[in-house]
Amino acid sequence: KNQVEQSPQSLIILEGKNCTLQCNYTVSPFSNLRWYKQDTGRGPVSLTIMTFSENTKSNGRYTATLDADTKQSSLHITASQLSDSASYICVVSEGGNNRLAFGKGNQVVVIP
Amino acid sequence: EAGVTQFPSHSVIEKGQTVTLRCDPISGHDNLYWYRRVMGKEIKFLLHFVKESKQDESGMPNNRFLAERTGGTYSTLKVQPAELEDSGVYFCASSSRAGRIYNEQFFGPGTRLTVL
Repeated sequence: KNQVEQSPQSLIILEGKNCTLQCNYTVSPFSNLRWYKQDTGRGPVSLTIMTFSENTKSNGRYTATLDADTKQSSLHITASQLSDSASYICVVSEGGNNRLAFGKGNQVVVIP
Repeated sequence: EAGVTQFPSHSVIEKGQTVTLRCDPISGHDNLYWYRRVMGKEIKFLLHFVKESKQDESGMPNNRFLAERTGGTYSTLKVQPAELEDSGVYFCASSSRAGRIYNEQFFGPGTRLTVL
């Protein structure tokens, strides 16, 4: 069983609307949690990185939250744009060795 | 500053053949990582170099995979002989210094390997 689970697997949203992506993890010990954006044909690009003491972090229209007690994170996209169409991958770094555990990603499609 | 580059972008080979993938990390980055994403699965760790030394190769699937980083600059990942289940996208990433909390890794665009 994967240590990082994401939902929904995919979603379609209208341009200008908001959406929220979910990530649950079981990685322990925990070091930090990252959200990456991966455009088709490209490598993942970091959006946010949060340690256990950080509850929220923003990067433009992207806002990530973290609840280290329940081991849940979310990524909120505000006022979506066509360029937001991508896979959003939740990645948890394991404490000690900094190994990264990846989720399968949330595939987001923004339509006009 | 140039990012992580990988070559080739795509490779189609027949079962039993050999393929070598190359990764050029960001200049000055001591840490280099190889990952693989098999269709329908999540990205998984293969191995980690610190300069020219293999720090962690626990993710390598079997001895058909050989990674090298001579001189501590670019790295190659050789698959010999390739099997059907080796098909996937191979990503390389680099970071400037391990041990820090964030250890941000910068990813290359990946090499899509198809074994027929």
